[in-house]
Amino acid sequence: KNEVEQSPQNLTAQEGEFITINCSYSVGISALHWLQQHPGGGIVSLFMLSSGKKKHGRLIATINIQEKHSSLHITASHPRDSAVYICAARYNTDKLIFGTGTRLQVFP
Amino acid sequence: KAGVTQTPRYLIKTRGQQVTLSCSPISGHRSVSWYQQTPGQGLQFLFEYFSETQRNKGNFPGRFSGRQFSNSRSEMNVSTLELGDSALYLCASSQRTEGGYTFGSGTRLTVV
Repeated sequence: KNEVEQSPQNLTAQEGEFITINCSYSVGISALHWLQQHPGGGIVSLFMLSSGKKKHGRLIATINIQEKHSSLHITASHPRDSAVYICAARYNTDKLIFGTGTRLQVFP
Repeated sequence: KAGVTQTPRYLIKTRGQQVTLSCSPISGHRSVSWYQQTPGQGLQFLFEYFSETQRNKGNFPGRFSGRQFSNSRSEMNVSTLELGDSALYLCASSQRTEGGYTFGSGTRLTVV
């Protein structure tokens, strides 16, 4: 069964802290996506990964194909990073399966 | 460059009615996919279109249907609405079926 598990479900941090969100998936994915959703519903696509590591500003995404695991890191977190972060796996069946999301709150 | 445009933003319908939602992708994007988001089930994939062809479909009943036009604009239709269809419906476009996605702001459907 194609599944995506994400942890933690909720995360609170003080401004400046290093944040890690984890995502595990089953075999047969062609790509792993990280999405950000702010209150109000708008979704922004942060990264699409099939191997290795990508960096954009303070955000870093990594994927380990052997361990079927991806992580999203936020360095020097800021209150504006407060959002729900969602990972989604595109399986070779072409279906996109979503994790349940991680609600991040960063306090000043 | 205009983003993905979804209309309408909000919609209230009565049980048993049908509804059509519209999605205009970013110019040049030929792939459009649709998603349903509810508090209980989270984000779920509905279907994906590429060059007017449905490429994939999620596990939703036949009451949910869609189509894509030659200009890549897409519509989704839900017939015989049920209370459980109340959700945020999002569409996303990309340049390829496996490209990075750009999401619209969504249509919030309430069924009463």
